Amino acid sequence: EDKVVQSPLSLVVHEGDTVTLNCSYEVTNFRSLLWYKQEKKAPTFLFMLTSSGIEKKSGRLSSILDKKELFSILNITATQTGDSAVYLCAVDRGSSNTGKLIFGQGTTLQVKP
Amino acid sequence: GAVVSQHPSRVICKSGTSVKIECRSLDFQATTMFWYRQFPKKSLMLMATSNEGSKATYEQGVEKDKFLINHASLTLSTLTVTSAHPEDSSFYICSARGFLAGLRGTDTQYFGPGTRLTVL
Repeated sequence: EDKVVQSPLSLVVHEGDTVTLNCSYEVTNFRSLLWYKQEKKAPTFLFMLTSSGIEKKSGRLSSILDKKELFSILNITATQTGDSAVYLCAVDRGSSNTGKLIFGQGTTLQVKP
Repeated sequence: GAVVSQHPSRVICKSGTSVKIECRSLDFQATTMFWYRQFPKKSLMLMATSNEGSKATYEQGVEKDKFLINHASLTLSTLTVTSAHPEDSSFYICSARGFLAGLRGTDTQYFGPGTRLTVL
């Protein structure tokens, strides 16, 4: 059965800390791995990763994929209170599965001032 | 970037009424749209996959007669919750599959802002 597992499920840090969120997966027909940030509304897109070892960066956020070990990490440096959210990892199995995403449980990050 | 809109953002209705939620892709054509439901502090649960011009594919356990999906064009899909009851109260989110600008062949899903449904 295809599955995506995120860890930790929740995390509390102080402003300025660096955090690493983990996502491991076991799926057939892997196409890409996606990271989303969800605050009070629907998820907003952060990164899409398709190739191993290539780091994607956006400001203080970065992510990398390891297709051999079947995991991805999302790093946030110099955290701010505005980073508090649920971070969702999802795997896209491509058009052979009608493009459905498999989501992890999410990691709830709380950044304290 | 790609933008997906949902309308309404919030709706409160009486038990027994039907509610229609619209999902539009604003700057790209989406052959496939997805409808999710999310309970508090839970991850997204896929309800159905909606393809333009064909019948929706529902996930196991989702009642197709309860949650009617229509995908009439490449930019619009609608979800109608029929004869809504309090247990249907939830956060409903749609997503549309499309291409990142300038990166053909690497389409991904973009989410709408969600619709908060409360059934009294």
